[in-house]
Amino acid sequence: AQSVTQLGSHVSVSEGALVLLRCNYSSSVPPYLFWYVQYPNQGLQLLLKYTSAATLVKGINGFEAEFKKSETSFHLTKPSAHMSDAAEYFCAVSAMYSSASKIIFGSGTRLSIRP
Amino acid sequence: DTGVSQDPRHKITKRGQNVTFRCDPISEHNRLYWYRQTLGQGPEFLTYFQNEAQLEKSRLLSDRFSAERPKGSFSTLEIQRTEQGDSAMYLCASSSGDRFSGANVLTFGAGSRLTVL
Repeated sequence: AQSVTQLGSHVSVSEGALVLLRCNYSSSVPPYLFWYVQYPNQGLQLLLKYTSAATLVKGINGFEAEFKKSETSFHLTKPSAHMSDAAEYFCAVSAMYSSASKIIFGSGTRLSIRP
Repeated sequence: DTGVSQDPRHKITKRGQNVTFRCDPISEHNRLYWYRQTLGQGPEFLTYFQNEAQLEKSRLLSDRFSAERPKGSFSTLEIQRTEQGDSAMYLCASSSGDRFSGANVLTFGAGSRLTVL
């Protein structure tokens, strides 16, 4: 079984500051890991995904995440926040090498950007 | 391709009534997922299909919920005898599914918001 825990339901940073959104996963098998973003009044869209090719994954809009197996973490970072980054961010997990695998989402972290 | 379409976008109903939502996935996607999202929570898995076969259904889903994908294209999600606790956004997503389908990216629709009075 897979699950994810997102630490902090709301994160607020100043424009230009570092963004760090935390995600820890639990999986009985090697995982695939994802970050999705949901802008106000829009559907969820993929930000980036980890599929074992590289532990540091780069996504859209300057975001990146690092897979750390020893810490069971997949934290999302961006060096410099922009006002347009304000959104809800969801970490998700599924099972690797499975022909029938659902994708499980965390409860989300709302990112606010202060001018 | 216009992406994943969901209809209706918003449904208001009285407790005890039946409601049905429709999802049209991206045409070349053979996998279709239903999720439920309440305010302040992440999407909660309900069920998914590989073509017309329903491969998994959440154990949290009561018997009042049923989903179909009769020809492997569009899907419907029906909720019978609605309760106020069913009020939520119902999300549909699709993906292409191969052997390592867990890595496939979900494309989400805008959702169908259900309000049960």
